Amino acid sequence: GNSVTQMEGPVTLSEEAFLTINCTYTATGYPSLFWYVQYPGEGLQLLLKATKADDKGSNKGFEATYRKETTSFHLEKGSVQVSDSAVYFCALVIQGAQKLVFGQGTRLTINP
Amino acid sequence: DAGVTQSPTHLIKTRGQQVTLRCSPKSGHDTVSWYQQALGQGPQFIFQYYEEEERQRGNFPDRFSGHQFPNYSSELNVNALLLGDSALYLCASSLGFAGLRHQPQHFGDGTRLSIL
Repeated sequence: GNSVTQMEGPVTLSEEAFLTINCTYTATGYPSLFWYVQYPGEGLQLLLKATKADDKGSNKGFEATYRKETTSFHLEKGSVQVSDSAVYFCALVIQGAQKLVFGQGTRLTINP
Repeated sequence: DAGVTQSPTHLIKTRGQQVTLRCSPKSGHDTVSWYQQALGQGPQFIFQYYEEEERQRGNFPDRFSGHQFPNYSSELNVNALLLGDSALYLCASSLGFAGLRHQPQHFGDGTRLSIL
């Protein structure tokens, strides 16, 4: 079946540190890949996406590259801020499908 | 431009009761999906409505049912509530039925349902 596995959290970093949150997937066909962010008490917001192999999605200083050979879509940011504290979800959609398949989420806390 | 709105924000019910959750999609969107997010977990797809019909369903029992109205708003109904139904219920909207590869879903803030 189709599934997403994220690195276990929680992750705690100091402000301005480098961030990596690992995400790997199992899918039939050629999925599109997404990162969503959930701030406390809110719904999910799309952070970035990539629709084919070697695509790089980027937004607000975050980046992730679609790696078909390693079935990965790791999220990175060069210098995190306190405001980046949230739960991050990696997700996929199979071509033609109508549902997102999510990983379990990674809670990120940034200390000043 | 109004985003996805859900009501109520919080709800407390007891086992065996029935509940109805409501969702208004983002302006211009015509497709509504519902997800269940248990505490500490990622959202799980319940079902999707397009043109007032259920188009796709996840692995949820028949106690979960829904409806879409002509104005594209939607309801999620859950009967015979169980303790395990306690979760955040998220509504997401998108445009069209051509797949989500290029039309990402927009999520509401959810309804927190607690079963006592």
